[in-house]
Amino acid sequence: DVKVTQSSRYLVKRTGEKVFLECVQDMDHENMFWYRQDPGLGLRLIYFSYDVKMKEKGDIPEGYSVSREKKERFSLILESASTNQTSMYLCASSLRTVWSTDTQYFGPGTRLTVL
Amino acid sequence: DAKTTQPNSMESNEEEPVHLPCNHSTISGTDYIHWYRQLPSQGPEYVIHGLTSNVNNRMASLAIAEDRKSSTLILHRATLRDAAVYYCILKVGYQFYFGTGTSLTVIP
Repeated sequence: DVKVTQSSRYLVKRTGEKVFLECVQDMDHENMFWYRQDPGLGLRLIYFSYDVKMKEKGDIPEGYSVSREKKERFSLILESASTNQTSMYLCASSLRTVWSTDTQYFGPGTRLTVL
Repeated sequence: DAKTTQPNSMESNEEEPVHLPCNHSTISGTDYIHWYRQLPSQGPEYVIHGLTSNVNNRMASLAIAEDRKSSTLILHRATLRDAAVYYCILKVGYQFYFGTGTSLTVIP
């Protein structure tokens, strides 16, 4: 079974802090994704990566950056956390194929609260 | 603008079929339709996907309209474990565009 793990289930940070959310997958998937989930808005894509050191902006990249130094690990970075970044953050991975019917496998999520 | 629209909530009696509708009027010819569900305190999980033809798997069936502007996820016999938020998604290239989901309540 594919396993996607996220470093924390719950995180509380203060405004202005630098925050790192870590995601690891164990199935040698090439694609990895970061979403945020907010009530009434569904899941929105922040960034995705289709290869090591490669990244693409999603729909809401402002205030976030990412890092993918190894294939299995994809980090989301909040350079200076703000209260409007309080949300559930979900990581996902998928096997890379062109024009694929790729299935995304999600981690359990990290609920981040910024005070 | 949302690429998919779904009812906010639906109810079903246990062991009865459930039809979850989704509209995706701006769909393009190469966009796949995916359905995922999210159980409480978990990340979304795959249910089913299709392009043009109706699809069946062990979890559900997917009925796609001839013009592809709408689809329906069918759970043949709802169980209490099917209570979840069901997301209708358009897959465009690498990107998944999630709707806001339908919260399904299953009544014993």
